Amino acid sequence: AQSVTQPDIHITVSEGASLELRCNYSYGATPYLFWYVQSPGQGLQLLLKYFSGDTLVQGIKGFEAEFKRSQSSFNLRKPSVHWSDAAEYFCAVGTLSGSARQLTFGSGTQLTVLP
Amino acid sequence: GAGVSQSPRYKVAKRGRDVALRCDSISGHVTLYWYRQTLGQGSEVLTYSQSDAQRDKSGRPSGRFSAERPERSVSTLKIQRTEQGDSAVYLCASSFGGVDDGQPQHFGDGTRLSIL
Repeated sequence: AQSVTQPDIHITVSEGASLELRCNYSYGATPYLFWYVQSPGQGLQLLLKYFSGDTLVQGIKGFEAEFKRSQSSFNLRKPSVHWSDAAEYFCAVGTLSGSARQLTFGSGTQLTVLP
Repeated sequence: GAGVSQSPRYKVAKRGRDVALRCDSISGHVTLYWYRQTLGQGSEVLTYSQSDAQRDKSGRPSGRFSAERPERSVSTLKIQRTEQGDSAVYLCASSFGGVDDGQPQHFGDGTRLSIL
C-alpha cells in the first residue's frame, strides 16, 4: 500500500530564510507526486506536481521540488520565505484505485514564518 | 467563480443525526472525490465517483458514509447516525480526467463538521 511521510510536523523559519520541507513516499510504481498548501479556513491549493521528465519541478509562489527516486523523496524548497507563506503544506502521491486516480496525503507540515 | 464550491462552510449537528454536505465541482470534470481531514492526520479519501458510477473507498464504517451525484457536477456526501469521531473538515475535489492521466485534483474550501 502507498504511504506518504512528512517527518516534520512543525517548522519555524525567519522571513527571507531558505526553506526545505521533507516528503518521503512508498509506492510500488512510478508515482505522481504533488505538493499542496492550505491556509486556515481554506481548501488545498496545488503548488506543483511531478509526473515524469525533469526531476526538478517549478511551482507557483516561487516553490520548487525535486524528485529523487533513489531516496523515495520529493522535498519542497523555496530560497527565500515570505510571511505570506505561513500555512500548512501537504505532500501527496497519486495512486490508482479502480479506474480513478486518488491522492494519498502526508500528515502535513505546519510552517510558521517569523518577522 | 469557476472553482470547486462546498456548502455549508460550517455545520454543527447532534450526535446520532444525519447530515448532508454539498459539493459543486468544476464544469466538465469527470471524477469527484470526498476527503476527510483531521488535525495531525492529514487527509484520507472517503469515496469517489467517476461520471455516474459510484465507487466507495474502504476504511470508513460501512453504511454510514455515502455519496450521491444527482447531477454531473454536483455531489452530496451523506453521513448517517453521526458520531463524535466524525468531527472533521470534509474536502471535495474534482479532476478533469478519470483514468490514469495525471490530472491534478482541484479542491474546495471544505466543510467543517462538528458533532456535539
